[in-house]
Amino acid sequence: DVKVTQSSRYLVKRTGEKVFLECVQDMDHENMFWYRQDPGLGLRLIYFSYDVKMKEKGDIPEGYSVSREKKERFSLILESASTNQTSMYLCASSLGQGTDNIQYFGAGTRLSVL
Amino acid sequence: GNSVTQMEGPVTLSEEAFLTINCTYTATGYPSLFWYVQYPGEGLQLLLKATKADDKGSNKGFEATYRKETTSFHLEKGSVQVSDSAVYFCALSDETGDYKLSFGAGTTVTVRA
Repeated sequence: DVKVTQSSRYLVKRTGEKVFLECVQDMDHENMFWYRQDPGLGLRLIYFSYDVKMKEKGDIPEGYSVSREKKERFSLILESASTNQTSMYLCASSLGQGTDNIQYFGAGTRLSVL
Repeated sequence: GNSVTQMEGPVTLSEEAFLTINCTYTATGYPSLFWYVQYPGEGLQLLLKATKADDKGSNKGFEATYRKETTSFHLEKGSVQVSDSAVYFCALSDETGDYKLSFGAGTTVTVRA
């Protein structure tokens, strides 16, 4: 089975802190994604990466950055956390693209910024 | 651009009732269509998919048919169980080779015993 592991299930941080969310996949997938999930808004793509050291902005990249130094690991960074970044963050990975783009998700990290 | 519209929830049903969740989409060309399910406290997992017009995806008693003429991919189950309580997301991936999925807002379904 594909396994996507997010390092924390729950995080509480203070406004202005630098926050790292880590994600690791064990299936040698090329593509990795970070989403945030908010009630009524579904999933919104923050950043994605289709190769090591490559990254592309998604729909809502402002206030976030990412790092992909190794194929299996994709990190989301909040440079200076703000209260409007309180959300559920989901990491995903996929092998295919286009019509074969099945994404596999981690369990999520619920981040609260106080 | 691509977009997915789902019926708003929440939806509350009794066990053994019939479930339909409507999903319509806007996309150029011939996208692939997916239903993902999120059980409480978990991430999303693929429920079923269809890659071309008139294809029917099915899994765990759920079905959805890719209708290009109505740009729809409605999810149905004939007899729901309490264990089907979850959030359901419709999504599409277009044919251009893009890596991204476009998701609907999600529909929360609660099944009562």
